[in-house]
Amino acid sequence: ETGVTQTPRHLVMGMTNKKSLKCEQHLGHNAMYWYKQSAKKPLELMFVYNFKEQTENNSVPSRFSPECPNSSHLFLHLHTLQPEDSALYLCASSQGEEVNTEAFFGQGTRLTVV
Amino acid sequence: DQQVKQNSPSLSVQEGRISILNCDYTNSMFDYFLWYKKYPAEGPTFLISISSIKDKNEDGRFTVFLNKSAKHLSLHIVPSQPGDSAVYFCAASENDYKLSFGAGTTVTVRA
Repeated sequence: ETGVTQTPRHLVMGMTNKKSLKCEQHLGHNAMYWYKQSAKKPLELMFVYNFKEQTENNSVPSRFSPECPNSSHLFLHLHTLQPEDSALYLCASSQGEEVNTEAFFGQGTRLTVV
Repeated sequence: DQQVKQNSPSLSVQEGRISILNCDYTNSMFDYFLWYKKYPAEGPTFLISISSIKDKNEDGRFTVFLNKSAKHLSLHIVPSQPGDSAVYFCAASENDYKLSFGAGTTVTVRA
């Protein structure tokens, strides 16, 4: 148990569906992240929120839409995804205002787009 | 452009022997380096880190070595145990809170 909880753990969706991934952290952290892990590839940073403000968007397609209503919750809204978007989506959190601290990850959501 | 590279996708080692995982980076501004361990169906968990002002950090069976001139770091696990079988990710940050990850090395510890 890392203190970062993601739901759902598994998701299968059609290309015309709209779904949302949820992440919640109980660590009092100020920074939250979405990462994408595809097979045999590095973890790809998608979005960063620090103190609820989006500070990074790594050229992610608009079919992925993040939302951070408060420092403890992070969502990733999905719509009109493509099969190549199938991957493990990981949420993480860290202190944020301090540099050089480790990030704590959730267990991930395994997404399959059919 | 991948700034953190783990060129060995897999490593097989006998139980009780040393596992050595390697990681190279290209960004000379990186000043903090981490290793994460990941089991199937779980998120990565933090293992050990090292600041650029050091060249070695040890925590139990795990030791990380940093060679700044070569832009290289390594993780030594000794002795290797069956529970160490997992994917290991190298990560680095540049004086901020965002991490760049390598592609991972799958370690298999044979009994």
